Amino acid sequence: AQSVTQLDSQVPVFEEAPVELRCNYSSSVSVYLFWYVQYPNQGLQLLLKYLSGSTLVESINGFEAEFNKSQTSFHLRKPSVHISDTAEYFCAVSEASNTGKLIFGQGTTLQVKP
Amino acid sequence: NAGVTQTPKFQVLKTGQSMTLQCAQDMNHNSMYWYRQDPGMGLRLIYYSASEGTTDKGEVPNGYNVSRLNKREFSLRLESAAPSQTSVYFCASSAYHLEQYFGPGTRLTVT
Repeated sequence: AQSVTQLDSQVPVFEEAPVELRCNYSSSVSVYLFWYVQYPNQGLQLLLKYLSGSTLVESINGFEAEFNKSQTSFHLRKPSVHISDTAEYFCAVSEASNTGKLIFGQGTTLQVKP
Repeated sequence: NAGVTQTPKFQVLKTGQSMTLQCAQDMNHNSMYWYRQDPGMGLRLIYYSASEGTTDKGEVPNGYNVSRLNKREFSLRLESAAPSQTSVYFCASSAYHLEQYFGPGTRLTVT
């Protein structure tokens, strides 16, 4: 069975500082990996995904994540955060050959302070 | 394109009442999903439908039923609501095993 662990429930950071949100997964088969963002009182939006190919993937708003197969990790990073990045972030995994069912981590609340 | 829509946005039920949450997508996706979101637990899959005419249980199906009415619509029914079903419910859709697109959610309170 697959599982996802987000190692920090809350990450406070000052504006313009770098941030890393950690995600580890376990699976016995090949996986696809996703990061979703949820702004207050909204649904989830896809931030970035790893399906295959380059292990470093980027989003349009400056986030990046690196797939590390040996460490079974998919950490999310941003070199300089903005107030508007305050949200809850979810890491998710699905089996590469499955129906697309996602297993989510517990979520990490990113709090960007001025 | 409206994407994924859900109705209602909010609902309050008394224990034992029933209701149906509606979900529709206009992206011609094959797969649709129902999740519940509870604080500190992320999202948990209730039921999913890999294609029109099929449904399968997810991680937490007890107390729920679903209907894949057609390719666009996937409803979730609570036959006899319980306080433990107080949650935020999200519907999502995807094209096969690719990324999922989520609706805005339904906030349900059972008293």
